[in-house]
Amino acid sequence: DTAVSQTPKYLVTQMGNDKSIKCEQNLGHDTMYWYKQDSKKFLKIMFSYNNKELIINETVPNRFSPKSPDKAHLNLHINSLELGDSAVYFCASSQGDRAAFFGQGTRLTVV
Amino acid sequence: SQKIEQNSEALNIQEGKTATLTCNYTNYSPAYLQWYRQDPGRGPVFLLLIRENEKEKRKERLKVTFDTTLKQSLFHITASQPADSATYLCALVRNTDKLIFGTGTRLQVFP
Repeated sequence: DTAVSQTPKYLVTQMGNDKSIKCEQNLGHDTMYWYKQDSKKFLKIMFSYNNKELIINETVPNRFSPKSPDKAHLNLHINSLELGDSAVYFCASSQGDRAAFFGQGTRLTVV
Repeated sequence: SQKIEQNSEALNIQEGKTATLTCNYTNYSPAYLQWYRQDPGRGPVFLLLIRENEKEKRKERLKVTFDTTLKQSLFHITASQPADSATYLCALVRNTDKLIFGTGTRLQVFP
């Protein structure tokens, strides 16, 4: 069983479209994250959810919105996609100060 | 603003030698620090955690030190192997819900 799974693995879409990336964790963790990794491989935190409550919201455009239907899921919705949104998006989960577990990543390409 | 920097973009060493990676931070007082390994096309994988009141942690061929006065952590891989080639990321945590990553160091171990 995959601990943190995100879909799709690859996403190619046109500018202006709206898309979603799904994430699920089966570890029972309280905290889930979304990270963006750009072409320079820098991993930047976008959102963090703890027990379904948004606890940090870094300076990301409001075109990005996290949605958590329950503790095990944290989906990322992106409206009006732009070229600069092209990156790899990682979902992760953790519990307290223990290790964070990452999904396989979603490579988003906006054309 | 908070900054987490890791030494150089790439570190090349010969098999059998000890690799030493550096993580420096400013404007931050982490409660603990984690190290992750990331292979191409995959999400980061947790390696070690060290708390602010700990000076050193070991796990097999890995050793981490944490100097809160220097605001620095060193990550050592002894008897390095080509299979250790990857990007290594440090991550700092103040509150358990905010995991911030450094810029990463790419390690290449040559036979």
